[in-house]
Amino acid sequence: EDKVVQSPLSLVVHEGDTVTLNCSYEVTNFRSLLWYKQEKKAPTFLFMLTSSGIEKKSGRLSSILDKKELFSILNITATQTGDSAVYLCAVEAEDAGNMLTFGGGTRLMVKP
Amino acid sequence: DSGVTQTPKHLITATGQRVTLRCSPRSGDLSVYWYQQSLDQGLQFLIQYYNGEERAKGNILERFSAQQFPDLHSELNLSSLELGDSALYFCASSPRDWIYNEQFFGPGTRLTVL
Repeated sequence: EDKVVQSPLSLVVHEGDTVTLNCSYEVTNFRSLLWYKQEKKAPTFLFMLTSSGIEKKSGRLSSILDKKELFSILNITATQTGDSAVYLCAVEAEDAGNMLTFGGGTRLMVKP
Repeated sequence: DSGVTQTPKHLITATGQRVTLRCSPRSGDLSVYWYQQSLDQGLQFLIQYYNGEERAKGNILERFSAQQFPDLHSELNLSSLELGDSALYFCASSPRDWIYNEQFFGPGTRLTVL
């Protein structure tokens, strides 16, 4: 059974800090790893990492994938209060449609 | 706004009842997914449809069923409801199902079973 574990469970930082969120996974026939941000309701897509795209960056957010060690990290630099959310990591396997297996999430709170 | 719409936003019902949740995917998306999010289980995949056909199935209860119609909207039917079915139900959509493509989530339907 595919498994995704995120750490830490929760994190409190101050504006301007840099944070690193971790995601480790076990999946048969890995296809991709996705990061989502969930504020009040629907998860919103951040990044997709695959064998051919192991680093992604968008503004203050960046992510890398280590396929050998089976983990990914999401970095947020110069955090802002608007970054407060639950960050979800999910993996997708080959031959399983496009179903996503999600981790439990990391709850990030950024204080002014 | 992802472009995925779900109705209703909230639903309150009693144990033993049956409800139907509706989802309209983003324009042009052929795949629809249903997820359940509860406090103790996190976000769990239920089922995927691609262009009207069932494509993948997660740990969906036998009391739950879904379908995707020719206009690509989808419905999730939950029957013989139990207190433990109270959760946020998300629909997501993506363009195709055999290449890399991210899923876009709708706002969800919050189901409360009393």
